[in-house]
This record gives sequence, C-alpha cells and structure tokens, in this order.
Amino acid sequence: DGGITQSPKYLFRKEGQNVTLSCEQNLNHDAMYWYRQDPGQGLRLIYYSQIVNDFQKGDIAEGYSVSREKKESFPLTVTSAQKNPTAFYLCASSEGSQETQYFGPGTRLLVL
Amino acid sequence: DAKTTQPTSMDCAEGRAANLPCNHSTISGNEYVYWYRQIHSQGPQYIIHGLKNNETNEMASLIITEDRKSSTLILPHATLRDTAVYYCIALSGTASKLTFGTGTRLQVTL
Repeated sequence: DGGITQSPKYLFRKEGQNVTLSCEQNLNHDAMYWYRQDPGQGLRLIYYSQIVNDFQKGDIAEGYSVSREKKESFPLTVTSAQKNPTAFYLCASSEGSQETQYFGPGTRLLVL
Repeated sequence: DAKTTQPTSMDCAEGRAANLPCNHSTISGNEYVYWYRQIHSQGPQYIIHGLKNNETNEMASLIITEDRKSSTLILPHATLRDTAVYYCIALSGTASKLTFGTGTRLQVTL
C-alpha cells in the first residue's frame, strides 16, 4: 500500500535532549512538510521541502532541524532549543508544492 | 488565502446525509476549496477539492455556489466512522502551506 508513515506514535523527551521524528513516504512525492498541532488549535508549518537536498523554514522553525537526503524520507529533529515541544507532529507530502497534501498518522511528543 | 467560516458543530443521524456548509466570501479566482477531516488523535485526511464546478468522489460531494462565496460538503450516508472535525480551506494554486481554522465538529449518532 502506498502511503506516509511516521514513527514512533508516541515519543518522550527529557530536558535538554534532542529527539528525531521519522517520516517516510512511498508515493514518489517530491514535496514533504512538517506541521505542529497544539490542542484545540490548527496547523503550523515548521519546515517544508520541495525537492531532495533542499528545504525551507516555515512559520515556526526555531528549535527544529530537518534533512532531505532521500526523496522518500524527511526526518525532523526537535532540539533542546525548542522550549515547548509538547505537541502533535504531522508529516505530509504532495506530488509538487502546489498539489494536494496527504498526511501521515502523526507523532505525539511529550516532555518528561 | 481567503478566510473561511464554518459552524462550530453539527449532528447527523447515521444513514442520513451530512451537509457541512462553509463560507468563503473573499475567495479569489485562483483559490481552490479544499476539505479535510481529522478524527481524534489521527492525521488529517484529504476528502475533496474543487475550483468552481461541483465535484464528487468515493467519499463525498462538493457543491460550490455559482458566485463561489460558499460551498457545501455532502457525506451522502453518514456512519459513526465519519465523526470527526471537518476543515474547509481556501487555497491558492501557489500555496505551500495548509492553515486549518477551528473547523466543524460533526457528531454522527445512532
């Protein structure tokens, strides 16, 4: 089945620790995105990538980093500089940057 | 992207059609109307989108008024699994970012 997978489903972070969230897609999509969703709120764009080896900051990139070394993978690292990381993180992909975005199941990050 | 307005919540009996309205009175000519839904603690699911013609797929129908200032998403035979928050978005063809508002919480009941 084609789709987008995110792992893990739940992730716990200790103070001062960096953690990496995985996002993989086998849809052959060029563009991939990371969003953050807080309780009762909408989506906020963290980073997006229109093509391999290229990515751009979204609205709330501070405290996060990404890489796009392979077309199918777009991991997100939540660094210790992100002071309020507790949220639901959603990865999405689209054929091109102007096409319909499809979402993965999400990763819920909690701080211990 | 144009602002959209949706009712906060709606109820629908199982097996009946669910009609979810959306106002987008400031929509511009190159903005599409997109619908997504999000079941609790899951990723958003794409439903349908359209520019000015009515659209139908296996999940739903989208009816856009002639002036494009409003639209209605129709789930023809709602089931309990359709209980979710439904988001209507006006999105230009050049946009790279999705912005969800508060959406409509649809509760399907027996």
